[in-house]
Amino acid sequence: QSVLTQPPSVSGAPGQRVTISCTGTSSNIGAGYGVHWYQQFPGGVPKLIISGSTNRPSGVPDRFSGSKSGTSASLAITGLQADDEADYYCQSHDSSLNAYVFGGGTKVIV
Amino acid sequence: DVQLVESGGTLVQPGGSLRLSCAVSGTSTFSVNGNYMSWVRQAPGKGLEWVSVLYSGDNANYAESVKGRFTISRDISKNSVYLEMNNLRVEDTAVYYCARVEGSFDLWGQGTMVTVSS
Repeated sequence: QSVLTQPPSVSGAPGQRVTISCTGTSSNIGAGYGVHWYQQFPGGVPKLIISGSTNRPSGVPDRFSGSKSGTSASLAITGLQADDEADYYCQSHDSSLNAYVFGGGTKVIV
Repeated sequence: DVQLVESGGTLVQPGGSLRLSCAVSGTSTFSVNGNYMSWVRQAPGKGLEWVSVLYSGDNANYAESVKGRFTISRDISKNSVYLEMNNLRVEDTAVYYCARVEGSFDLWGQGTMVTVSS
């Protein structure tokens, strides 16, 4: 059971918008820690696509955006493309556990 | 470009020990001494799990699942980070990634596979 909760999968047609939720608690997201998002293709290495809840690293398309409110965060992908099919993980820090924590991951199906 | 290169993963029996290495390559400006460095693992078909972090100096932190069994360290002269793993269990089987911590895990190595099995 992951500390951060994500849906196992989300799906959308090409061109559509999908969102992935990441639900935490008052000791992690709700405590003000940033939420970071990673994209991982099968057999590949995780890649940071959103840092600090809303910031896109250089080279990440602006189709990807992040938001945070209260004890939850979301990743939105607009203009969905076939090569967006991957697993997406949220991550934060937990003050009660004194640990970095990940969500269980969400598979995006296009 | 800076790269993190892990090595040391192999097949080991339950109860055994292993040391993973993470070497920085590609630049002389990235120092493991000036950065927080971490290990993250991923069991086959499972999600990402944070394992350990090395802060400035010798300060370190560990996931409860590995506390007392794993030790993270650095060698500044070799610009490398290590993960010493003792009393390995079947459930430690995973790809182990080395990553730089800049708030987020912003730079990852390619990973090294550790299989714990008899």
